[in-house]
Amino acid sequence: QVQLVQSGAEVKKPGASVKVSCKVSGYTLTELSMHWVRQAPGKGLEWMGGFDPEDGETIYAQKFQGRVTMTEDTSTDTAYMELSSLRSEDTAVYYCVTVHYYGSGSQYYFDYWGQGTLVTVSP
Amino acid sequence: DIQMTQSPSSLSASVGDRVTITCRASQSISTYLNWYQQRPGKAPKLLTYAASSLQSGVPSRFSGSGAGTDFTLTISSLQPEDFATYYCQQTYGTLPTFGGGTKVEIK
Repeated sequence: QVQLVQSGAEVKKPGASVKVSCKVSGYTLTELSMHWVRQAPGKGLEWMGGFDPEDGETIYAQKFQGRVTMTEDTSTDTAYMELSSLRSEDTAVYYCVTVHYYGSGSQYYFDYWGQGTLVTVSP
Repeated sequence: DIQMTQSPSSLSASVGDRVTITCRASQSISTYLNWYQQRPGKAPKLLTYAASSLQSGVPSRFSGSGAGTDFTLTISSLQPEDFATYYCQQTYGTLPTFGGGTKVEIK
């Protein structure tokens, strides 16, 4: 059973950066493909990016290209998502989530989710 | 990017009702379609994958169908714990996208 425990809530000023962590237990990070999804207050789910094992690279949604960096520390089984140049529209709950591949390996779904980290951007 | 359009955006129903939510893709996605349930303040939970496969542990009153561009999630007999928001997700290719969500409320 995979468990994902995220870091606590953050309050940041516009223009600052935030780094959210996601600690894995039950599996090692190298056995998983980690992605990040965010949800603004009262809004829907928005995929930000994640690790694509097919080519061994991290892929990002075009909307966040240049502002987001997703990294992993395999020595501590912790994944990180850093978002820079924060603006008020970035106020949201940020989730880490693992991807499960099935079938021929091209089909997948999101299975284990962290508890979410609220990031508030306010002057 | 592939756009996913859900309808309705919200609905009111009573316990025991049959509820159907639809999701339309902007291009054909075969059966690369998942459904999630999200209760307030909680992370989403997978209900069905590959358009019609029920995730282990999910009650059989939930079912998914469709292929190509049109998909449905059906709850055969709505239970009190089913009042939540439902999202479809396409995973055709490497860039997944979610629908806007359907909030199921108590009538």
